[in-house]
Amino acid sequence: DAGVIQSPRHEVTEMGQEVTLRCKPISGHNSLFWYRQTMMRGLELLIYFNNNVPIDDSGMPEDRFSAKMPNASFSTLKIQPSEPRDSAVYFCASSGTGDYGYTFGSGTRLTVV
Amino acid sequence: GDSVTQMEGPVTLSEEAFLTINCTYTATGYPSLFWYVQYPGEGLQLLLKATKADDKGSNKGFEATYRKETTSFHLEKGSVQVSDSAVYFCALRDAGGFKTIFGAGTRLFVKA
Repeated sequence: DAGVIQSPRHEVTEMGQEVTLRCKPISGHNSLFWYRQTMMRGLELLIYFNNNVPIDDSGMPEDRFSAKMPNASFSTLKIQPSEPRDSAVYFCASSGTGDYGYTFGSGTRLTVV
Repeated sequence: GDSVTQMEGPVTLSEEAFLTINCTYTATGYPSLFWYVQYPGEGLQLLLKATKADDKGSNKGFEATYRKETTSFHLEKGSVQVSDSAVYFCALRDAGGFKTIFGAGTRLFVKA
């Protein structure tokens, strides 16, 4: 298995632009998680899905952030409009039933200038 | 709510030294406990886990024992290598829950 695949690896965008981050979880995993990591705040859970349904989005910082999981093999995290304080590394992780560990992707490093 | 507290870093050791990174937790149920490792520029990787009291998780020379009486899950390694330099995260997941709670991470530097 190729693991959790995230794209792009790096994204540099201007303030006010829309940004879309993508994630392909491990086949057969039924839970998917989006995290944000910064030096100041550490690792923050933004939202998670189970069987493609959003379970808890209380970590989404504001309405500019949205996430979707249209099917079991794909999820997106969108920021519109982006702001410099959104600069961070965004990780996607997936987990299967009965397998309590997460598999993380390599992350997307987002820089908003 | 559930929480994880781990020792602040950075921890700096010489090669072949003994490593301990302390981790304690607060949980209302019977969580599973984990250690993850993050190498520079990469995502977190599951290092080891323990799912019930007195279980010992082990991997790549690292060990941690689930101590319910002290609510602890300390990470140990007998002889560290330069390649072990990374950030280590302690974490818990409630039985039957979806969400994992992560500690703040402890950065380890190993000098040759």
